[in-house]
Amino acid sequence: SQKIEQNSEALNIQEGKTATLTCNYTNYSPAYLQWYRQDPGRGPVFLLLIRENEKEKRKERLKVTFDTTLKQSLFHITASQPADSATYLCAPLNQAGTALIFGKGTTLSVSS
Amino acid sequence: GAGVSQSPRYKVAKRGQDVALRCDPISGHVSLFWYQQALGQGPEFLTYFQNEAQLDKSGLPSDRFFAERPEGSVSTLKIQRTQQEDSAVYLCASSQGGQGAYHEQFFGPGTRLTVL
Repeated sequence: SQKIEQNSEALNIQEGKTATLTCNYTNYSPAYLQWYRQDPGRGPVFLLLIRENEKEKRKERLKVTFDTTLKQSLFHITASQPADSATYLCAPLNQAGTALIFGKGTTLSVSS
Repeated sequence: GAGVSQSPRYKVAKRGQDVALRCDPISGHVSLFWYQQALGQGPEFLTYFQNEAQLDKSGLPSDRFFAERPEGSVSTLKIQRTQQEDSAVYLCASSQGGQGAYHEQFFGPGTRLTVL
């Protein structure tokens, strides 16, 4: 079955540092992969989408990579701020293209 | 315009009761998705609509779960004979494109269901 793993449940870093979150998928090759942010008590908010033929995508302080050989996506937040503290969800497209398969999420805490 | 809205925001049901959860997607959005999110987990796909057509319901956990979108806008997720394991946050999302989950999705705030 299609399986998504995010490297750690929690990540604590200091303000100004770069946060790197890892997402690994197994047993299939998704055509697209999306990253979302979720704050407590709220629905996920879309951040970035990357296609299988794209190696890297950037948006302001965010960067996503997609390595189809390693079956891995990395999500980077540079110059992190306390306001970046949230849970980040990796969501590859399923095989049929009809749904996103969400990872468990990594909770990022940025301390000042 | 307004984002995705869901009602009620909180629902407490006694085991065995039927519940109906409503989702108002962003106007004009073709695709609509329902997800179930247990505490500490990521959202888990339940079902997908393209306009009024339910194209994928592979994630519905049992035949007690039923979803509809009769006019291609508002959607209702119904759970019959609720059980304690149904307790979760139910999220609705919509997207502009009609190509499944290829586009960014806009999520509502969710309905937190607690079954006693």
